[in-house]
Amino acid sequence: NAGVTQTPKFQVLKTGQSMTLQCAQDMNHEYMSWYRQDPGMGLRLIHYSVGAGITDQGEVPNGYNVSRSTTEDFPLRLLSAAPSQTSVYFCASTRDGNTEAFFGQGTRLTVV
Amino acid sequence: AQSVTQLGSHVSVSEGALVLLRCNYSSSVPPYLFWYVQYPNQGLQLLLKYTSAATLVKGINGFEAEFKKSETSFHLTKPSAHMSDAAEYFCAVSEKGYQKVTFGTGTKLQVIP
Repeated sequence: NAGVTQTPKFQVLKTGQSMTLQCAQDMNHEYMSWYRQDPGMGLRLIHYSVGAGITDQGEVPNGYNVSRSTTEDFPLRLLSAAPSQTSVYFCASTRDGNTEAFFGQGTRLTVV
Repeated sequence: AQSVTQLGSHVSVSEGALVLLRCNYSSSVPPYLFWYVQYPNQGLQLLLKYTSAATLVKGINGFEAEFKKSETSFHLTKPSAHMSDAAEYFCAVSEKGYQKVTFGTGTKLQVIP
């Protein structure tokens, strides 16, 4: 069972560079989300999607874009990286918002 | 709006002692409540969840939590700590029909030999 797969695991970017964090799930879940984890702040929701073609903003969406063209994939784009985006990013999927969330292993991003 | 408060960012217990991690929630409708565990350099894993059935919920690895509506609490307990319980624990809440899950700020559990 692959579950939720995130790539890459580690990434270093220079300020102003762009990149895409990949997330794929094989459980046919409708609901997918992206979180960032920073010390002392828990997990904060960046963007989420309740199905293919439907996305919405979470708590901290600025500087990030998402799209959901298929049920399986939910990539997160950083358009112009800033040091404030240094964080650990987690992708999660659930059957719906009231059931268990399955998390990827995370992407540790450093912006210098 | 839903929210979660975890009291104590760090908790230390001796091996074999009771573990108590506190979580209080705010929700305008009956909530769904979760506890997740995160081991170093890993994603989060579900420990247990409350979805309006029994108020005492048993999870994996000997953990359990009790939903107390009057206190808006969902504290996590384990009778006897093991070294392998050292991790960070997150409480989370969602509302029926509302797709967002809100996480607390986490509690790091240290187990002292």
